[in-house]
Amino acid sequence: NAGVTQTPKFQVLKTGQSMTLQCAQDMNHEYMSWYRQDPGMGLRLIHYSVGAGITDQGEVPNGYNVSRSTTEDFPLRLLSAAPSQTSVYFCASSLRPYEDSPLHFGNGTRLTVT
Amino acid sequence: GDSVTQMEGPVTLSEEAFLTINCTYTATGYPSLFWYVQYPGEGLQLLLKATKADDKGSNKGFEATYRKETTSFHLEKGSVQVSDSAVYFCALSDRGNTGFQKLVFGTGTRLLVSP
Repeated sequence: NAGVTQTPKFQVLKTGQSMTLQCAQDMNHEYMSWYRQDPGMGLRLIHYSVGAGITDQGEVPNGYNVSRSTTEDFPLRLLSAAPSQTSVYFCASSLRPYEDSPLHFGNGTRLTVT
Repeated sequence: GDSVTQMEGPVTLSEEAFLTINCTYTATGYPSLFWYVQYPGEGLQLLLKATKADDKGSNKGFEATYRKETTSFHLEKGSVQVSDSAVYFCALSDRGNTGFQKLVFGTGTRLLVSP
């Protein structure tokens, strides 16, 4: 099993550019989520999804869009990148959307916006 | 809102030393509590969890007890190894009004173990 796969591993963008961070899981997990990790702030939830066609906002959703057209994929879109979005982004999934189901994390995407 | 506070690192220990990483939380209701570990270049992985007061989570020699009276979930290990060097995150599950898990993480504590 590949688990949770994130691409790319690294990305540099200029302010105003758009891009999509990809996340795919092959474990048939219902729940998928995106976190960002910033120094001194831990991880913060951006968006999450409890199944295909169902998404909702987390703690820091502004500037990001998501969609979930299949169970396997949960891309994160930045429509107009800003320096404040420089961060490490983690995708995480779990079999069920409840806390009894542990999260499985990808290895992260390091994004720099100049 | 709910929050998690962890001791600042790095924590530097010699192999076979005793480890404690402090974690306290603020929450409405009774959240589940977790410790996740992040090894260099990898994503986080669940280390242990506890779902109610006085529960003890344990895994790979690590332990943490859910203390409601002190709102704490300190991580301990009796004898650390070099391979335990990593960043450790304390987290709680904020169910909100949906019941879905939305983890609130602490800032992480880096552990460095030298031979």
